[in-house]
Parts: sequence; structure tokens; C-alpha cells
Amino acid sequence: GAGVSQSPSNKVTEKGKDVELRCDPISGHTALYWYRQRLGQGLEFLIYFQGNSAPDKSGLPSDRFSAERTGESVSTLTIQRTQQEDSAVYLCASSTRAGSTDTQYFGPGTRLTVL
Amino acid sequence: AQSVTQPDIHITVSEGASLELRCNYSYGATPYLFWYVQSPGQGLQLLLKYFSGDTLVQGIKGFEAEFKRSQSSFNLRKPSVHWSDAAEYFCAVGALYNQGGKLIFGQGTELSVKP
Repeated sequence: GAGVSQSPSNKVTEKGKDVELRCDPISGHTALYWYRQRLGQGLEFLIYFQGNSAPDKSGLPSDRFSAERTGESVSTLTIQRTQQEDSAVYLCASSTRAGSTDTQYFGPGTRLTVL
Repeated sequence: AQSVTQPDIHITVSEGASLELRCNYSYGATPYLFWYVQSPGQGLQLLLKYFSGDTLVQGIKGFEAEFKRSQSSFNLRKPSVHWSDAAEYFCAVGALYNQGGKLIFGQGTELSVKP
């Protein structure tokens, strides 16, 4: 079956614009995670979903960031009024359940560049 | 706070030589530990994981890692490196008290392989 897919693969935007990043998890995976990878750094956790609810949003950097998930499938990460420091690769992962023993499968990421 | 440290930002080894990538973690309980590899243009792929039991864990592509509680380490090893192993390697720990399975990553070690 297909793996985790993300779109777009690259996004260039101007400072102050809103952007939406999309993640399609592996079919049947109830848990979905968003991470951010800044240049030369490791991944930072942003938010995770169990089904359509988000029990942990602690990693969202500011109220400009939001995410939703519908139908226990697709998730969208929205960044409003983008800033240059938002430039990063945004990675999505899914797993069968939201637990530390469940392997997370990662998508290829969306590279966001804010000019 | 939980943290993961990968002391080596960049390592270069000759093809056929042995490899050891270091990882140290800070964690308040029995850790769940992971090594992921990220090849250029691709998402992260799980190499191996440790939850409990035998402290020497075998993974894919000929990699292994050893959990040493006394040293808070989970170093990744391979006896003979291939040119295709050139990539970025990330060590990660499952969050304390199983917070939905979110992972805390180190900053990564970039591996270059000399012919």
C-alpha cells in the first residue's frame, strides 16, 4: 500500500501570507503527527491526532499555527501570517495507534520557504 | 526535561570501515529508543527500536544498536559501511509517560562515505 504522502512538496510564500500543508496518512492509521525540521536541526514535535482529536498541541510555536484532521484521514497544518522563522521542512507521520511502541511512518515532507 | 544528544554533527568514514554513531538521552524512566535514517529527498525510515529485553538490537540494512542504561546511551553501529549508507541519522526517544507516542529527536549526525 501507499505510504504517507504530503503536499505540496515545496512551497514558497511571502511573509504575511497564509499557507496550508496537507498530509495523507497510511490508510487505517489512527494516529497522525506533525513535526518541524529547521535547517541543520533535529525534528521538533508540533501536534498529534488520535482519530480526529488533538490531545497534545504543546509543540505548536504560536497561535498562528493550527491543525485539523477530518474523517480520521487527511490532516491540514495551517500557518497564518507566515514569518521568515517559519521556514523549515514540515514532516508528517502516522502510526496504527498513538503510543510509544507504535512505529511512526514518515512522509517526504513539505519544504516551506518564507521570503 | 527530556533530551537527546548526538555529539557528532558530521562523520566521514571510508567504505568498508566500521561505523559508530553516538546517542545519549536524558529520561526519567525506562526509555523507548529509536534510530531513524533520512536520505536526501526522502522521509525518515526506521532503522531499529528498543523497548525492553536484550540490550543489543538488530535493525535493517545491517545496523545494530546497544542500549547502555549506566551510560544513558544508545549508539548505532555497523561493521562495514556501504556508499549507500551516506545519509543523516537521527536518534529519538519516546516521550515520558507515553504522551501519545510523540518522539523527541536529537539534532542528527550526517554520515559521508569515502570511496
